[in-house]
Amino acid sequence: DGGITQSPKYLFRKEGQNVTLSCEQNLNHDAMYWYRQDPGQGLRLIYYSQIVNDFQKGDIAEGYSVSREKKESFPLTVTSAQKNPTAFYLCASSIGGDRAYNEQFFGPGTRLTVL
Amino acid sequence: QQPVQSPQAVILREGEDAVINCSSSKALYSVHWYRQKHGEAPVFLMILLKGGEQKGHEKISASFNEKKQQSSLYLTASQLSYSGTYFCGTAWYDNFNKFYFGSGTKLNVKP
Repeated sequence: DGGITQSPKYLFRKEGQNVTLSCEQNLNHDAMYWYRQDPGQGLRLIYYSQIVNDFQKGDIAEGYSVSREKKESFPLTVTSAQKNPTAFYLCASSIGGDRAYNEQFFGPGTRLTVL
Repeated sequence: QQPVQSPQAVILREGEDAVINCSSSKALYSVHWYRQKHGEAPVFLMILLKGGEQKGHEKISASFNEKKQQSSLYLTASQLSYSGTYFCGTAWYDNFNKFYFGSGTKLNVKP
């Protein structure tokens, strides 16, 4: 079955640590996205990539980094510079890079908690 | 920048109807609707691109007004499976690279 996988489902981080969230898709989509979701809020864009080896900052990129070395993979690193990283992180992909008219397919998410 | 959704939450009995609104201060290029069940990934419902457009299935449909500043999601004869949080996502007409999700409407359907 085609889809998006994220791992781990739950992640605990000590303050000062960097952690990496995995996102893999087998939909052959060009574009991939990372969103952050806080309780009672919508999804906010962290980073996006429209093509391999290229990515752009979203609305809340500070304290995060990404890479896109393969079409199917888009890992997100939450660095120690992110002051309030506890949140639900969602990875998504779409056929094309224009979210205005492309359906986004979401992974099941990773819940990150800072201890 | 973010579209405004209303209401923030609604509780229904099975079989009742609900309307969820998504409004923008600027004309929109498109409106997307997603549903997210608790702890799960959001799932795409539909996209509207044309002013005056209405689309959807029998019991879940949506409209996009002529001025393209408001969309409404209609849930008819609600079922327990409709429970979840509904998000609209919008792209501006004058800069459709800017795409924002609303804060969501939590729908709880009770037996």
